[in-house]
Amino acid sequence: QVQLVESGGDVVQPGRSLRLSCTASGFIFSNYAMNWVRQAPGKGLEWVAVLSFDPNIEYYADSVKARFIISRDDSKNTLYLQMNSLRVEDTAVYYCAREAGDGTDAFDIWGQGTLVTVSS
Amino acid sequence: SYVLTQPPSVSVVPGETAMIPCGANNIGSKNVHWYQQKPGQAPVLVIYSDSDRPSEIPARFSGSNSGNTATLSISRVEAGDEADYYCQVWDSTVDYVFGSGTTVTVL
Repeated sequence: QVQLVESGGDVVQPGRSLRLSCTASGFIFSNYAMNWVRQAPGKGLEWVAVLSFDPNIEYYADSVKARFIISRDDSKNTLYLQMNSLRVEDTAVYYCAREAGDGTDAFDIWGQGTLVTVSS
Repeated sequence: SYVLTQPPSVSVVPGETAMIPCGANNIGSKNVHWYQQKPGQAPVLVIYSDSDRPSEIPARFSGSNSGNTATLSISRVEAGDEADYYCQVWDSTVDYVFGSGTTVTVL
């Protein structure tokens, strides 16, 4: 079935780096734009970054611009989020989400999320 | 920036209709999507492009969008509809943006 599975969440100190992964299955990964969305504890959803396909174009939320990098390896059906210079306020559950395509930019498939905790 | 405003909470009696507004400047000119999130779970798309519904979502869920307000309606509300609901749009100034979320409580 169509599925996204995130991994890589961990407890890290402020200023350190972490890479998240999102592995897709059940659909042609290379045909879809992919996003990262995060949710701080007890808070709402915050869009983080998007990577389109053919060509690969990246956009970032201002809160993570110049610190986070979104990338993909279509041969491995995997989306990545490289998070550098982490801050306490980056603590959140990070979801990857697929854009539905077919003329809509809604996020139709979500992973279960992976928790990133930034703390000294 | 582009801000989507939602009420923090909406309460509804079982069997009645819940209406969840999402307000923003000229939101009627944008495509609005709605997500349901239950505690400890990932969000689920319930309405896309203002009023379209994924095939697996019950017809009790509907959406509308005009002027400065988009609205998610849940008719014949059930206990299982208790969740947080978020609206979302794409805007050229902020890319993707979510509303602050509305908690629906079934009394």
